Amino acid sequence: QSALTQPASVSGSPGQSITISCTGTSSDVGGYHSVSWYQQHPGKAPKLMIFDVSNRPSGVSNRFSGSKSGNTASLTISGLQAEDEADYSCSSYTSSNTYVFGSGTKVTVL
Amino acid sequence: QVQLQESGPGLVKPSETLSLTCSVSGGSVNSGIYYWTWIRQPPGKGLEWIGDISDSGNTNHNPSLKSRVTISIDTSKSQFSLKLRSVTAADTAMYFCASRDFGEFNFDNWGQGTLVTVSS
Repeated sequence: QSALTQPASVSGSPGQSITISCTGTSSDVGGYHSVSWYQQHPGKAPKLMIFDVSNRPSGVSNRFSGSKSGNTASLTISGLQAEDEADYSCSSYTSSNTYVFGSGTKVTVL
Repeated sequence: QVQLQESGPGLVKPSETLSLTCSVSGGSVNSGIYYWTWIRQPPGKGLEWIGDISDSGNTNHNPSLKSRVTISIDTSKSQFSLKLRSVTAADTAMYFCASRDFGEFNFDNWGQGTLVTVSS
């Protein structure tokens, strides 16, 4: 199974909105409502930010939102803050009853 | 929420077997409500799902690793384990254990990770 495709890096100024894309196939992203997003600061474990495409776990800021269209899912961070600078990865359930992650996107706050 | 902690050797020789254990606390490893998962991340690269196991012992594996991977569970010790055979330098990575709620498709609880280097 191939990794989901994400841009290597995305940047924005404080207060701006940015969007990270996650492109797969009809066998993963496009076929299921099972995309999740993870935030990872250097040297730390990933943290679940979005599940089932657009749901936020308790405690996650509403500045984070998710969506999906066809084989591409997206994570939007609104009102960008310095603490949002981190790596972000998407994940999807697949038709093979496995999971595939994205290649990861480094978010830089300018 | 349960707490997860990985343990195992930080250095493994090429062609040998990597063995890691994840200790579960704050909950039962055989509660029937979790899938116990292994995920790894090579230095500077993305996350890779290795596989998971239910408390009844049902397993799923990444096809690219399936022939080399064994995931097992020891309910008496509240632990689950990973064995990866015939390792090469490409298996050098941070290895995380994580949990997934039964019926869910996300990993909401992670250990801190343990770095395993494959080198002679």
